[in-house]
Amino acid sequence: DAGVTQSPTHLIKTRGQQVTLRCSPKSGHDTVSWYQQALGQGPQFIFQYYEEEERQRGNFPDRFSGHQFPNYSSELNVNALLLGDSALYLCASSLGAVRDTDTQYFGPGTRLTVL
Amino acid sequence: KQEVTQIPAALSVPEGENLVLNCSFTDSAIYNLQWFRQDPGKGLTSLLLIQSSQREQTSGRLNASLDKSSGRSTLYIAASQPGDSATYLCAVRLHQFYFGTGTSLTVIP
Repeated sequence: DAGVTQSPTHLIKTRGQQVTLRCSPKSGHDTVSWYQQALGQGPQFIFQYYEEEERQRGNFPDRFSGHQFPNYSSELNVNALLLGDSALYLCASSLGAVRDTDTQYFGPGTRLTVL
Repeated sequence: KQEVTQIPAALSVPEGENLVLNCSFTDSAIYNLQWFRQDPGKGLTSLLLIQSSQREQTSGRLNASLDKSSGRSTLYIAASQPGDSATYLCAVRLHQFYFGTGTSLTVIP
């Protein structure tokens, strides 16, 4: 049973460019959340997708956008990259509505470096 | 806005010692609280999940407690080993996870 997978593992971009990160959820999961983790910090919630719609959003600008496909996989797009966007981007999957027994399974992350 | 704080930020202990990591949160209306382990540059591995109605959970040498009314949780690690060296993150779940900044643990052989 495959867990959460993310691609690419590492990425280097320059300021002003655009980037797309990809995530495949754990088998049987239908909800994908994205997090940004700066060095030495805890992960910060970007947004969550369920049934191909953005359901929740954290305090991130519109430069951060996403998409969920019918097979539940997801993409995170970041436009007009800034140096401060350099971070580890984590994808987490879960099943359906939030319940107290629910947990999120995290992927290994994509390390984005903006030069 | 939910805020999650973890103390201490870093901890170094000799092998075999028992230790306690602390987590506090400001809003008690949570679905659950979860402790994660993160190795350098890697993703998060779930250790323990405590539902909002529970007081504690145990897994092997790990025991986590939850006191919603005071907004506190502790992670107890018994008989620490060098392989326990990692960053430990606590997260409280409403409709999203709110994470603390973690405790970096080093267990010295």
